[in-house]
Amino acid sequence: EVQLLESGGTLVQPGGSLRLSCAASGFNFSSFAMSWVRQAPGKGLEWVSSVSNEGSTFYTVSVRGRFTISRDNSKNALYLQMNSLRDEDTALYYCVKDTHNYGPYYFASWGQGTRVTVSS
Amino acid sequence: DVVMTQTPLSLSVTLGQPASISCKSSQDLVHSDGDTHLSWLHQRPGQPPRLLIYKISNRFSGVPDRFSGSGAGTEFTLKISRVEGDDVGVYYCMQATQYPTFGQGTRLEIK
Repeated sequence: EVQLLESGGTLVQPGGSLRLSCAASGFNFSSFAMSWVRQAPGKGLEWVSSVSNEGSTFYTVSVRGRFTISRDNSKNALYLQMNSLRDEDTALYYCVKDTHNYGPYYFASWGQGTRVTVSS
Repeated sequence: DVVMTQTPLSLSVTLGQPASISCKSSQDLVHSDGDTHLSWLHQRPGQPPRLLIYKISNRFSGVPDRFSGSGAGTEFTLKISRVEGDDVGVYYCMQATQYPTFGQGTRLEIK
C-alpha cells in the first residue's frame, strides 16, 4: 500500500523559511515522479512543484526562485525548501505520487498533508 | 497557464440519480505525445483528493464503473451513473498537458 507522510508544516513569519518532508513507502519510490500540491483554507487545489524520478524539476510561476523541490531516492524522501514565504503561501501542502516516472501527469496517491501558516 | 472552467459549481442530486460535471479548457489539451492529459479527482470532506479518471476516460484502480469520463480537445465531462452517499464532496478536473492546473471544483451534495 502506498503511504506518503508529510511533515514540517508550522507557523512561520512572512519572509521566513521552512522545509517540508515527505516519507514514502509501499512502492518503488525511485521509479515515479513526485509533486507538491497545496490547498489554501477553503479553496481549491494548486500545483506547486514536481520532480521527475531522476531529478528534473518544475515549478509554478508564483514559487519559482523561492521554493526548491528535491528528492533522495536512497531514503525514499521528497522535500520542499520554502524561502521568502508570503501570506499567500498559507495552505495545506500535499505530497503526491505520479503515475509516470517523468511528470507531472496524473496524481495517483496523496498524503494527508502538512499545514503551513505564514503570519506575523 | 491553461484555465480550466467547471460547471456547475454545485450540484444537488437524489441518491440513485445520475450526475454530470463539465470541464472546459482555455486551450486544446492534446499533448505532443498524442495523449490528452486530462484527469478527474474527488475530494471528500476532510480528506485528500483521490484520482478517479485519467487520460480523459480511464478509470483509476479501484474506481467503480459508475464513474465515466469523456470528451476531447477543450471540452470534457465526468458522469456518475447512479449517485451514492460516498460520492459527496468536491470534484476537480485537472490538465497536465502543460504545467498542471485545476478547475475551481464542483461540490456535490445529496438532495
